[in-house]
Amino acid sequence: GEDVEQSLFLSVREGDSSVINCTYTDSSSTYLYWYKQEPGAGLQLLTYIFSNMDMKQDQRLTVLLNKKDKHLSLRIADTQTGDSAIYFCAESMDSSYKLIFGSGTRLLVRP
Amino acid sequence: GAVVSQHPSRVICKSGTSVKIECRSLDFQATTMFWYRQFPKQSLMLMATSNEGSKATYEQGVEKDKFLINHASLTLSTLTVTSAHPEDSSFYICSAPPPTGPEAYEQYFGPGTRLTVT
Repeated sequence: GEDVEQSLFLSVREGDSSVINCTYTDSSSTYLYWYKQEPGAGLQLLTYIFSNMDMKQDQRLTVLLNKKDKHLSLRIADTQTGDSAIYFCAESMDSSYKLIFGSGTRLLVRP
Repeated sequence: GAVVSQHPSRVICKSGTSVKIECRSLDFQATTMFWYRQFPKQSLMLMATSNEGSKATYEQGVEKDKFLINHASLTLSTLTVTSAHPEDSSFYICSAPPPTGPEAYEQYFGPGTRLTVT
């Protein structure tokens, strides 16, 4: 079945790195995504990784993909208070563009 | 990048009434759009796939007679919540796949519509 899991909450100090983890069950995923959602707002695509990649870096963001363990992570370097939000991982399994979202991780950045 | 809009952004309706939510692709054509629902403090759940010119495809557990979807044109999909009840109060978000091209990985999300049923 399709099930994407994340830890619910993460608290870090400003300037530290944050690592948000995600596990998924469908090995046929094509793309895996990280979205950010601020309170009362829509979704903002942060980054994505194609399933044949192991790592992707984009400025402060680093995505690691372990297909064997079906594990995806998002590392945010030098975390800022503006990074406080809910982060969702999502997988897209085929060309239909349907997305299966994780449960979301609430990131709180303390000054 | 491409933009998807939703209208209204917020709506309050009385129990038993119907409410229509619009999703528009502003600068591209979308033969397919998706409708998601997000309950407070929860994740997004796919409700249905809206197909231009044909019937929508609903996910398991979503009542097609309650959530009417009409994809009337290549830029507009509507979701009508019929006979709304307080448990239908939620954040409804639509999305559209991109036109083909180098951004084919990205899906465009609308800003969402917050429905409150009193």
